[in-house]
Amino acid sequence: GESVGLHLPTLSVQEGDNSIINCAYSNSASDYFIWYKQESGKGPQFIIDIRSNMDKRQGQRVTVLLNKTVKHLSLQIAATQPGDSAVYFCAENTNTGNQFYFGTGTSLTVIP
Amino acid sequence: SQTIHQWPATLVQPVGSPLSLECTVEGTSNPNLYWYRQAAGRGLQLLFYSIGIDQISSEVPQNLSASRPQDRQFILSSKKLLLSDSGFYLCAWSLGPGKLFFGSGTQLSVL
Repeated sequence: GESVGLHLPTLSVQEGDNSIINCAYSNSASDYFIWYKQESGKGPQFIIDIRSNMDKRQGQRVTVLLNKTVKHLSLQIAATQPGDSAVYFCAENTNTGNQFYFGTGTSLTVIP
Repeated sequence: SQTIHQWPATLVQPVGSPLSLECTVEGTSNPNLYWYRQAAGRGLQLLFYSIGIDQISSEVPQNLSASRPQDRQFILSSKKLLLSDSGFYLCAWSLGPGKLFFGSGTQLSVL
C-alpha cells in the first residue's frame, strides 16, 4: 500500500505552547486525511479529518493543514495541555478504497 | 450512537494455543470492519478488512484468520499461536471513506 510517514518521532513542548505535528504522504490519489490520538494502552481516538479539496480545517484547539503540492499534512494543537500527551497518527484513505493506511506516529510529551 | 466493543482487554496465551478475539459494533448497519495489529511503540498494521458478511480481505500473509458470521461481528482467530503474534490488536469500523473508529484494543502476550 501507499505509505504515510511522519517527520518527527518525538516532540516535547511546554504546557501552554502550541504544538505542530507533521506528516508526509505519498499517494496523490488520497481523498481523506485523518489525525488520531492514542493514549497508552488505548485504541486510537479520531481527532479531525480533512478532504483533499480543502487546505485547512479547524476544530476545538486543533487545526489541520493540507499542502497537496508537497504532499504534507500537519496537526496544530493550540495551548497544549498535559492531557494532550499521547502518540499522534496520521492516516490516509481514498474515496473508493476501503483501506486506511497509517504512519508510524509521533509521541507528544507536554512538560508542565 | 454507534459503539464498538472488543474483548478481552488483555490475554496471555502459551505458544501453540488457539486464539479467538471478538469485536461487535452497535448502532449501525453494514459497516466495514477491520483488524489492525500494533507492535509496542510502532504504527498500525492492517491485517484484515471486511465489507460484508463472509467477505474478508487479508492484507498480509500470516498465522491468523478472520471471520464475519454476522453483520456487526468480526472475529480474529488462530489455530496455533506463535511468539510473533504478540501485540496490541485493534478492531475498527467505518461506514465509508474518511472516518475510521477504533475499539479499546486487546493486548495479547504469547509466552
